[in-house]
Amino acid sequence: ETGVTQTPRHLVMGMTNKKSLKCEQHLGHNAMYWYKQSAKKPLELMFVYNFKEQTENNSVPSRFSPECPNSSHLFLHLHTLQPEDSALYLCASSQVSGGATNEKLFFGSGTQLSVL
Amino acid sequence: AQTVTQSQPEMSVQEAETVTLSCTYDTSESDYYLFWYKQPPSRQMILVIRQEAYKQQNATENRFSVNFQKAAKSFSLKISDSQLGDAAMYFCAYKGDQFYFGTGTSLTVIP
Repeated sequence: ETGVTQTPRHLVMGMTNKKSLKCEQHLGHNAMYWYKQSAKKPLELMFVYNFKEQTENNSVPSRFSPECPNSSHLFLHLHTLQPEDSALYLCASSQVSGGATNEKLFFGSGTQLSVL
Repeated sequence: AQTVTQSQPEMSVQEAETVTLSCTYDTSESDYYLFWYKQPPSRQMILVIRQEAYKQQNATENRFSVNFQKAAKSFSLKISDSQLGDAAMYFCAYKGDQFYFGTGTSLTVIP
């Protein structure tokens, strides 16, 4: 089992569809993240969950809705997306302790999303 | 917000040779961490090497080493004895309050 698993690997959806991306981490970490990766752009942090509580929401449109039912699972619910939302969506996890900055991110293989 | 700049979109290196990837960053903080991540075609980002800003000694991991110049805010990655499996996108990252990533450098290894 890899440390961070994402499904599906590829997703094609229309603008009126509703779909969900799933992420599961097997590392015992207490923080999980959603990143958006677009060509020639830095990774964009979308959401952060520490101890299952959302702590960051970097002005992400409401058509993206995260859910973190426990410290091992993270979902990204998608609805009425736009073509510019097509990108690679990466999930990551880390162990956060006492606000220290020495944490490391562990990534999944991402979901390649195409919005038609 | 902090920014991370990778000025080389693409680099190539002959197998067994050495290549250096550049990274600069902008910050007013004194306590932070710097990372290099590798993203092969499998798309999974893998940590290559990490440097603590308070350490003057450059980090090394086998064939990978960094040249950390704190005053210049520069953090380059040197890959020695390049192998075909080193071909990938390489991302420089800064960690202060959160992670900030550069735009990546695509490394090709020529047999």
